Amino acid sequence: DIVMTQSPDSLAVSLGERAAINCKSSQSLLFSSNNKNFLAWYQVKPGQPPKLLIYWASTRESGVPDRFSGSGSGTDFTLTISSLQAEDVALYFCQQFYSPPLTFGGGTKVEI
Amino acid sequence: QVQLVQSGAEVKKSGSSVKVSCKASGGTFSRHGFNWVRQAPGQGLEWMGGIIPMFGSPNYAQKFQGRVTITADESTSTIYMALSSLRSEDTALYYCARIIVPAARGEGGAFDLWGQGTMVTVS
Repeated sequence: DIVMTQSPDSLAVSLGERAAINCKSSQSLLFSSNNKNFLAWYQVKPGQPPKLLIYWASTRESGVPDRFSGSGSGTDFTLTISSLQAEDVALYFCQQFYSPPLTFGGGTKVEI
Repeated sequence: QVQLVQSGAEVKKSGSSVKVSCKASGGTFSRHGFNWVRQAPGQGLEWMGGIIPMFGSPNYAQKFQGRVTITADESTSTIYMALSSLRSEDTALYYCARIIVPAARGEGGAFDLWGQGTMVTVS
């Protein structure tokens, strides 16, 4: 199984400041056939289901604010919130969808 | 607007079975893949398996093989997940989710639409 390791477990960021969450996979998520990284990022708020933010490591889902961006390739990835807003307080998970079993990172709690 | 609406919370005894439904309203149904993901209290997300209704053949995570059954009813646009031989470790919030981008290899993908979740408590 591909192990996904997120860091940090939690971080506190001031409003308007930048937040960065790291995700490392135990195997490369880069698929040679299409040169895409099969990595997604989700936001989870209390009492709500996960919300897809980013897929293919850097493609923003429709409707997601452009302050959210994804980067990285191979085994190392980052989710960046360029200017933290109050509504961004949540848990964030990375997920590999390169091969089953699909696996998720342990989550990062973002607070103000 | 497309929605996934799941059945209500369940309380079950150890050793029994549970069946959770997920009804898709609006949009196409059969062409999409649907998966089940669970989250135990205070834990992370865990993929269980999924199905593409137009193909019908489900696929399961190795961990749940023999205990989980995922089916689809195209006539009602509903996905079902049945889990047997329940134990306390199966206490979790169970989500159905729709695939927007398929996996590079095998089953699953990235999920753009999620149900509201169904709490299953095993005592």
